[in-house]
Amino acid sequence: KNEVEQSPQNLTAQEGEFITINCSYSVGISALHWLQQHPGGGIVSLFMLSSGKKKHGRLIATINIQEKHSSLHITASHPRDSAVYICAATTGNQFYFGTGTSLTVIP
Amino acid sequence: DAGITQSPRHKVTETGTPVTLRCHQTENHRYMYWYRQDPGHGLRLIHYSYGVKDTDKGEVSDGYSVSRSKTEDFLLTLESATSSQTSVYFCAISVKGATEAFFGQGTRLTVV
Repeated sequence: KNEVEQSPQNLTAQEGEFITINCSYSVGISALHWLQQHPGGGIVSLFMLSSGKKKHGRLIATINIQEKHSSLHITASHPRDSAVYICAATTGNQFYFGTGTSLTVIP
Repeated sequence: DAGITQSPRHKVTETGTPVTLRCHQTENHRYMYWYRQDPGHGLRLIHYSYGVKDTDKGEVSDGYSVSRSKTEDFLLTLESATSSQTSVYFCAISVKGATEAFFGQGTRLTVV
């Protein structure tokens, strides 16, 4: 059983589309992270949030603590957004990772 | 970018040989982590450290050992590499466990 579940596993979109990636978690968390990993590349932290909503450019992350659910939205998607997006929950000293959502944005 | 460096970035080794991967940070962060990333599994914790000489096991620690003799370095050793340890290994650092983590670029290890 995974403490963190992401959906969808794979996502293909046309450039300009609005994209949503979902994350559900079963553990009590102190924070929820969204990470980005480009093919063959390292992992970059996009957001860390414990309540509400955060926005950075075309990326928006929301969290509903009561429902144990978070979403990552990408507005006006672009081919350079193609990457794996990983949700991670932190509790205590550890991180629990989802298996990632592979996003491909087609020009 | 956070100052975190993994070495080597790529390595091919033979079954049964010992292998050591190094994670070096310049941020003076207390927590350091070693993960492996495999298709379908996401990132899984191997070992982590919460201070010099303070380490603990993660969910996939069998066949791995770690050492942290200095704040800036966290070493991961495969005592006798097996093909099942072929993976991409990531080091991460954080100020404390529940805060933002910074990841290294990863080490691609192939055991033949």
